[in-house]
Amino acid sequence: EDKVVQSPLSLVVHEGDTVTLNCSYEVTNFRSLLWYKQEKKAPTFLFMLTSSGIEKKSGRLSSILDKKELSSILNITATQTGDSAIYLCAVDPGGSEKLVFGKGTKLTVNP
Amino acid sequence: GAVVSQHPSWVICKSGTSVKIECRSLDFQATTMFWYRQFPKQSLMLMATSNEGSKATYEQGVEKDKFLINHASLTLSTLTVTSAHPEDSSFYICSANRVAGAYEQYFGPGTRLTVT
Repeated sequence: EDKVVQSPLSLVVHEGDTVTLNCSYEVTNFRSLLWYKQEKKAPTFLFMLTSSGIEKKSGRLSSILDKKELSSILNITATQTGDSAIYLCAVDPGGSEKLVFGKGTKLTVNP
Repeated sequence: GAVVSQHPSWVICKSGTSVKIECRSLDFQATTMFWYRQFPKQSLMLMATSNEGSKATYEQGVEKDKFLINHASLTLSTLTVTSAHPEDSSFYICSANRVAGAYEQYFGPGTRLTVT
């Protein structure tokens, strides 16, 4: 069964801290890994990582895919209170267009 | 680009009634749309995959007669919760692929359903 595991489940930091969120996966036929940020409503897309694009960066956020370790990390530097959200990791296991989601990491950034 | 809308954003209904939720891709055609539900503090649970012009594919454990999905056009999919019960209260989210077989899914803003 395809599986995506995120850790930690929750994290509380202070503004300015750097955080690293983890995602590991076991899927039949990996095609891509996606990171989403979910605040009060539906998730918004952050990054997609594939075999041909294992590292992405946008502002203070960056993500790396480690295909050997079957995992990915999402880094957020100089955190702000607006970064408080649930961060979801999803994997496309191939064979269909369905995504398999992890349970998410709830990040709280305190001022 | 790649905007998905949902309507209504929230709805309260009485037990036994049916509720229809619409999902529209506003600036692209979506051959495939997905319906998720999310309980508080939990991750997204895929309910079904909806393809334009064909029957939806439901995930195991999801009652297809209770959650009716219609994908009438390349920009519209609807989810009807029939004979709703309080346990159906949840956050329902749709998503769509902008390009067939593409990896990213673009999510609608979600619909909060409360059944009293």
